[in-house]
Amino acid sequence: EPEVTQTPSHQVTQMGQEVILRCVPISNHLYFYWYRQILGQKVEFLVSFYNNEISEKSEIFDDQFSVERPDGSNFTLKIRSTKLEDSAMYFCASSILGGGTEAFFGQGTRLTVV
Amino acid sequence: GENVEQHPSTLSVQEGDSAVIKCTYSDSASNYFPWYKQELGKGPQLIIDIRSNVGEKKDQRIAVTLNKTAKHFSLHITETQPEDSAVYFCAAKDYNNNDMRFGAGTRLTVKP
Repeated sequence: EPEVTQTPSHQVTQMGQEVILRCVPISNHLYFYWYRQILGQKVEFLVSFYNNEISEKSEIFDDQFSVERPDGSNFTLKIRSTKLEDSAMYFCASSILGGGTEAFFGQGTRLTVV
Repeated sequence: GENVEQHPSTLSVQEGDSAVIKCTYSDSASNYFPWYKQELGKGPQLIIDIRSNVGEKKDQRIAVTLNKTAKHFSLHITETQPEDSAVYFCAAKDYNNNDMRFGAGTRLTVKP
């Protein structure tokens, strides 16, 4: 069964450093998303990406964040100048279409900023 | 923007009993309501969803009901099994955007 894969599963970084979280969405999907989940809190939408551009972003997704689809298979989230409060589980998801279609989630990358 | 509230935060039931988790939403434009199950160390997995033109949907032991007037929707799991133990999230979104808002989650424990 096709699945969304994320790497690494756990990333530890020093405060102020840049990190890149990587995702391989399901191959025939057209919409890609990043969500984050701070420990013990709800899953929060960060950004959606379609046709090589951001289609929507939340108030969380400020200039510190950027997304990219560098090739035909990868979808990345870059966090510049990480802060302690960026520590969270980051989930990538993809869907065939937008709107009311099923989004498939990856297993997540746990980011720890020290 | 949309705000989704979910209750209870924890739920413990005996194997074989039913479990009900309730969510409310604030934005009347929301028309897609998925439920996700998250097991330890894994990402959320869709278990059932409902669209606003439907009041109830059932898939084996899982059912979801939607009351658009009251802006609430519920997940019902019957004949619970220990493997149903997980965190369940409700979510809501409008077809016209991709910003899906999640509830805070319910940790369900099914005791054998």
